[in-house]
Amino acid sequence: GENVEQHPSTLSVQEGDSAVIKCTYSDSASNYFPWYKQELGKRPQLIIDIRSNVGEKKDQRIAVTLNKTAKHFSLHITETQPEDSAVYFCAASVDYSGNQFYFGTGTSLTVIP
Amino acid sequence: KAGVTQTPRYLIKTRGQQVTLSCSPISGHRSVSWYQQTPGQGLQFLFEYFSETQRNKGNFPGRFSGRQFSNSRSEMNVSTLELGDSALYLCASSLEGPGTAGELFFGEGSRLTVL
Repeated sequence: GENVEQHPSTLSVQEGDSAVIKCTYSDSASNYFPWYKQELGKRPQLIIDIRSNVGEKKDQRIAVTLNKTAKHFSLHITETQPEDSAVYFCAASVDYSGNQFYFGTGTSLTVIP
Repeated sequence: KAGVTQTPRYLIKTRGQQVTLSCSPISGHRSVSWYQQTPGQGLQFLFEYFSETQRNKGNFPGRFSGRQFSNSRSEMNVSTLELGDSALYLCASSLEGPGTAGELFFGEGSRLTVL
């Protein structure tokens, strides 16, 4: 089955700096890669996703890049703010299999004011 | 639109007991999936139901089971509880139909503690 690895497990950055979280996957059939943000005590929420037919997607301060050949994808957050502090999870799925997602183990991001 | 609702939110059980958790998806969502969340392990997929049929199943023992009703509400059951079953159980619903993975809308979870 699919195996998703996520690094780093913890990340601290100064407010205004950039943060990068990286994930690798093992199943070349995976073609949908969402990122979820989970604030303390809250439910995970989708922040951005990418499908394998594109290499990069941006949404304001957040971007995701995908390298299908190397089987890795990354989350980039620019101009970080204290409210970006949360746990971020990457995930991988194969479209035709329905909603079965393999999640990374999470990155705890702390933005220091 | 009401979000995904899970009940109960918190529960404490002892080893050997069984537990049933309930999930009401967002209206119109036919896909309901369940995840176990533990510290350091992230979210691990339990199973997914679509139109009352189990479409996918994760790598969990047979003590973990689920079902979906005609109104898309879902329940999961864990029998013969073990200490290691202590976790946050998250339910998620999705609007996507068969053959397409899409955004998961999570509930707040049911936190199970096994003593």
